[in-house]
Parts: sequence; C-alpha cells; structure tokens
Amino acid sequence: EPEVTQTPSHQVTQMGQEVILRCVPISNHLYFYWYRQILGQKVEFLVSFYNNEISEKSEIFDDQFSVERPDGSNFTLKIRSTKLEDSAMYFCASSEKGLANEQFFGPGTRLTVL
Amino acid sequence: GNSVTQMEGPVTLSEEAFLTINCTYTATGYPSLFWYVQYPGEGLQLLLKATKADDKGSNKGFEATYRKETTSFHLEKGSVQVSDSAVYFCALSDRGSTLGRLYFGRGTQLTVWP
Repeated sequence: EPEVTQTPSHQVTQMGQEVILRCVPISNHLYFYWYRQILGQKVEFLVSFYNNEISEKSEIFDDQFSVERPDGSNFTLKIRSTKLEDSAMYFCASSEKGLANEQFFGPGTRLTVL
Repeated sequence: GNSVTQMEGPVTLSEEAFLTINCTYTATGYPSLFWYVQYPGEGLQLLLKATKADDKGSNKGFEATYRKETTSFHLEKGSVQVSDSAVYFCALSDRGSTLGRLYFGRGTQLTVWP
C-alpha cells in the first residue's frame, strides 16, 4: 500500500541553524501539507501546497518557514533559523483531491533544537 | 475560531473493556469531524468521519456520532483489544478551508493490557 515517508526520523540541531525536513508524498497525490505537534500540545496546521504554490498557511508559518517541491517526488519544509520553540514532531501529509478526509500522513520527523 | 478539545490521557484499560474518549469542538461554520489513530512508528490514519449532524462514523468496531447540540464527537468501542493501543486524535475540518485544513486535539494515548 502506498505511504507517505519522511526523513530523517529524528533531527537534532543547534539554535540558529537551518534545517530541511523531507517528505515523499504518495506518487499520484497533488496536494501537500505540513503539520506539527509540540510535545503535550495539539497537532497544528502549518501550510498547504498545490500546483507549486502555498494555498493556505497558519500564523505559525512565518518568514522563517518555507516549503518547496524541488522535484517530482519530494516535498520539503525549511526552517531558516531554528529557535528552541521549533522543537516538535513535524508531520507531512498528502492528498489526491485536496479533501480533509483524504489526507495521508507520514510518521513524522522529531526536531530537537538545542 | 475553530478548535478541538479532547480528553486528557493516558487511558489504560484491560482487554474487552468499554472505551470512551471524549471530544468537543468549537467551529465558526459547519465542520466535518474526524478521528485519527496513530500506531507506534506510523503516521496518523483516518479512523472514521462524520460530515453532518447525527451522522455516525464507524470503523473497526469504533463509533462516533456527530452531536451538533452538544458540539461533541465522542469515540467509543464496546470491547477493546491489545492491538487498539495507540494515540487517538479528534479533528475537524472547516468547509471554508481551501484544501481541507484540519484542526486537531492533543491526542489521547490508549494502552490496552491483556
């Protein structure tokens, strides 16, 4: 069964460093999402992406964040200068038709900022 | 705004016990409601959904009924199994969202003992 994959599973970085989190969505999906969950808190929406453009973003997704689909298979989230409060589990999701009930999630990348 | 509040965990039950995980929501419009499950090392998977008031979503023995009058979507299962041990997330989607942005609760860890 096709699945969304994410790498790395755990990333440790120093405050102020740039990180890139990678996702490989399901191959025929066209809609992509990032969510995150700070430990003990809610899973929060960051951004949705379609046709090489951001469709919607939350107030969390500020200028420090960017997304890209650099090729036909990867979907990346970049944090330009990490802060301690960026430590969280980051989930990628993809969807064939852009519907809420069709989002398939990856296992997540745990980001730890020291 | 939109938000989801779900029962704090962890929940620990013996096999064959009855499960209830409470979920209430606030929404600006008329949302669709979801339960997601995350097994260890895997991504969030859609467990069940309901799109209008009084709809009952069901899957794998789990059920939840969309109650507009109490703004609730409680998850129930009559007899849990060890294999149900996972984290359960309640979520809503606002129909006004372009690509089905999801609003999640914090998740409830369920552990079932044999």
